[in-house]
Amino acid sequence: DGGITQSPKYLFRKEGQNVTLSCEQNLNHDAMYWYRQDPGQGLRLIYYSQIVNDFQKGDIAEGYSVSREKKESFPLTVTSAQKNPTAFYLCASSIPQLAGGYGEQFFGPGTRLTVL
Amino acid sequence: AQSVTQLGSHVSVSEGALVLLRCNYSSSVPPYLFWYVQYPNQGLQLLLKYTSAATLVKGINGFEAEFKKSETSFHLTKPSAHMSDAAEYFCAVSEIGNEKLTFGTGTRLTIIP
Repeated sequence: DGGITQSPKYLFRKEGQNVTLSCEQNLNHDAMYWYRQDPGQGLRLIYYSQIVNDFQKGDIAEGYSVSREKKESFPLTVTSAQKNPTAFYLCASSIPQLAGGYGEQFFGPGTRLTVL
Repeated sequence: AQSVTQLGSHVSVSEGALVLLRCNYSSSVPPYLFWYVQYPNQGLQLLLKYTSAATLVKGINGFEAEFKKSETSFHLTKPSAHMSDAAEYFCAVSEIGNEKLTFGTGTRLTIIP
C-alpha cells in the first residue's frame, strides 16, 4: 500500500537536545511538507520541499531544520533553539499542480513530541 | 492572499441529525477547496475536494459540500450523523499557482447519543 509513514509515534526529549523526526513516502510525490499542530491553532507550516535538494521556510521555521536528499524522505530536526517544541507534528506530500495535482495533501499519522 | 474561516470551533449534534460545518474562504483567484477529518492522535484524511468541476462535491462517509462563489463558502454537510463522525474537521484552500494549503482552525464535532 502506498502512503506516508512517520516515526516514532511518540517522542520524548530533554530540554537542550536536538531530535529528528522521520517522514517517508512511497507515493512518488515530488512535494513534501512539515506542519506543527497545537490545540486550537490548526496546522502551521514549518518547511516544505517541492523537489529533491531544495526546500523553503514556512510560517514558523525558526528552531527547525530539514533536508531533502531523497525524493521519498523529508526528515525534520527540532533543535534546541525551538523555544516551545511540545506539539503534534504532521508530515504530508502532494502532487505539484504542474504535474496535474490540485494542491490536496496526503498526511502521515503524526509524531507527538513532548519536551520534559 | 488566501485564507479560511471556520465558524464554530465546537459543534454538537444528535445522532441521526443533520451535520453542518461552515467554511468561508478568501482568495484572489479561483480556489481549490478541501475538507479533511482528523481523529484523535491521527493524521488528516481527505474527505472531499472542489477543483472547479461540479459545485456539489460528494466525499467519503456520506459527506458532501457545496461551493458557492457568491457567498465564498464551502460548507460541509451530512444528512444523518453517526457516532463515528465525532472528530475534528478542517477546511483548506489552495490557489492556482500556489502549492501551499491554508487551513482553517478546525471544528470539533461531537455526536450526542
